[in-house]
Amino acid sequence: DSGVTQTPKHLITATGQRVTLRCSPRSGDLSVYWYQQSLDQGLQFLIQYYNGEERAKGNILERFSAQQFPDLHSELNLSSLELGDSALYFCASSVELAEYNEQFFGPGTRLTVL
Amino acid sequence: AQRVTQPEKLLSVFKGAPVELKCNYSYSGSPELFWYVQYSRQRLQLLLRHISRESIKGFTADLNKGETSFHLKKPFAQEEDSAMYYCALSGGFNAGGTSYGKLTFGQGTILTVHP
Repeated sequence: DSGVTQTPKHLITATGQRVTLRCSPRSGDLSVYWYQQSLDQGLQFLIQYYNGEERAKGNILERFSAQQFPDLHSELNLSSLELGDSALYFCASSVELAEYNEQFFGPGTRLTVL
Repeated sequence: AQRVTQPEKLLSVFKGAPVELKCNYSYSGSPELFWYVQYSRQRLQLLLRHISRESIKGFTADLNKGETSFHLKKPFAQEEDSAMYYCALSGGFNAGGTSYGKLTFGQGTILTVHP
């Protein structure tokens, strides 16, 4: 699959725990975006990386952090998990930073916090 | 602050009927607007973007800056158009004027086309 991949597909964990979500962008894409989709908030932008550097931050909690590695894959770390963190987390990638670029989305990771 | 509003959570039409999914935005600069679609069990994908002025799968969308709207239209809906549709806005610049491309999404509209 040459598209955006995300692992794991599903994650069930307990409150207070820490998890790591992984994203591999499309081949050649330098920009990675993370979004959170929940029933009450909809699809919300969390954070963006471009070629290893953080470029934009949205409504991302301090308990959450991300990074993009030299091979361009990205990880989203969620710690001290709360029930309200249960959501679908999407990763998207695009070629560059331009605002009109199409973003290609991964299938998402469904996080359930019990 | 940028904001996208899709007033209809659910929209039902019959096959062959015209369909219009509404989208209004709030943005102080010159926005780039998109429609993304998510079919059942598929990932979110781009349907069309304002800058391309294209028609995809019979859908069109016109940016109306006066009304700050970017409604999605199709003259004759098909059953395969049933999906979740998101209007999204790209904008936001740093102090140096570089755009980041992050998307602000509306809440989405679930379109159901009945046979």
